[in-house]
Amino acid sequence: SAVISQKPSRDICQRGTSLTIQCQVDSQVTMMFWYRQQPGQSLTLIATANQGSEATYESGFVIDKFPISRPNLTFSTLTVSNMSPEDSSIYLCSVEGGQAGTRYEQYFGPGTRLTVT
Amino acid sequence: AQSVAQPEDQVNVAEGNPLTVKCTYSVSGNPYLFWYVQYPNRGLQFLLKYITGDNLVKGSYGFEAEFNKSQTSFHLKKPSALVSDSALYFCAVRASGGSYIPTFGRGTSLIVHP
Repeated sequence: SAVISQKPSRDICQRGTSLTIQCQVDSQVTMMFWYRQQPGQSLTLIATANQGSEATYESGFVIDKFPISRPNLTFSTLTVSNMSPEDSSIYLCSVEGGQAGTRYEQYFGPGTRLTVT
Repeated sequence: AQSVAQPEDQVNVAEGNPLTVKCTYSVSGNPYLFWYVQYPNRGLQFLLKYITGDNLVKGSYGFEAEFNKSQTSFHLKKPSALVSDSALYFCAVRASGGSYIPTFGRGTSLIVHP
């Protein structure tokens, strides 16, 4: 299984500012996923990030609001721009297992708990 | 389109009793099915999956799930619940030949009482 770390683990930000969340994986992966989760609720996929190409955004999410970088096969960042209180959520980074026996399984980072005031 | 239904927001069970967390799905073609668990203030962890083969799959922490194609269900089970099993459980589905992106259910909170 992949080990994923995220930074920061939590932050409190003022509206109108931006926060960049970092995701580091201990192995090379093709695709990385960014999710948003309201506490105690389900996951909503924001975008899929492949190394060397533009991220693919899900309906309701746009690049200007959530720019993503994917500079190499073990790292990605998600920026939450021009934040409002509605952006308060837990942001999760995820990758899919690539080894035999772990294919199709997803592994998640510990999450970044964002509060916008 | 693919979808997952977890009909129960919360399941309560006494420690030592069997537990079931329900999941039904809808997908075009053959499904890949998953269960994930989220302990309080922690990230999601993979629990088990059904890809092909035996309808009964076994996973971590003594959990198992049964794939029932006719009922389009993938219920999570454990013969004897532990208080430490209390967590949020998510079912997920993706089509074997379609989008690689899974759809997650809304989650079921399992509470195991001592």
